[in-house]
Amino acid sequence: QKEVEQNSGPLSVPEGAIASLNCTYSDRGSQSFFWYRQYSGKSPELIMFIYSNGDKEDGRFTAQLNKASQYVSLLIRDSQPSDSATYLCAVSGGYNKLIFGAGTRLAVHP
Amino acid sequence: DGGITQSPKYLFRKEGQNVTLSCEQNLNHDAMYWYRQDPGQGLRLIYYSQIVNDFQKGDIAEGYSVSREKKESFPLTVTSAQKNPTAFYLCASSISVAGGNEQFFGPGTRLTVL
Repeated sequence: QKEVEQNSGPLSVPEGAIASLNCTYSDRGSQSFFWYRQYSGKSPELIMFIYSNGDKEDGRFTAQLNKASQYVSLLIRDSQPSDSATYLCAVSGGYNKLIFGAGTRLAVHP
Repeated sequence: DGGITQSPKYLFRKEGQNVTLSCEQNLNHDAMYWYRQDPGQGLRLIYYSQIVNDFQKGDIAEGYSVSREKKESFPLTVTSAQKNPTAFYLCASSISVAGGNEQFFGPGTRLTVL
């Protein structure tokens, strides 16, 4: 059974700090990795994707991938209260079938 | 506006009743997907379709059925055989099912069994 694991949180960070969200996956053959943000009661919104080992930056967001250790992380710099949401990690399991983690709830407090 | 629409936003079902959830996209995407989300859990794949008139079961297809008669539309029927249908249902689409293509989600339908 292919699995994606995330700490459920909540992860509480002060405004302006760096939030670090982590995800591990079980399938070594996974090729594509995605981070979605989901506000309460809303649908997931894609914020980052990464395919290669290393870092990928987009504005305040940085995705990091380490295939050897089978983890992917998301860093949010200068965290804002509007970043408070649940962050879902998803891993491609073939034919673009995504396997989702249960999500990490992030709370940014002023 | 390009995007994915789902209707209705809220749906109430009586025991033993079949209900159909609508999903439409105007992104010209080939692939479409249905997921179910329960509180505190990740999304689980119900069905997916790579092309018109073709679809495959996901991880939790029992009690559900789909059709793909048009590229733009991928309705999901929740049948009376689904014993615990109360959940948040999400439709998604991607350019194709080739690995690496990002999936985009509609706003979701919240189904409650009365």
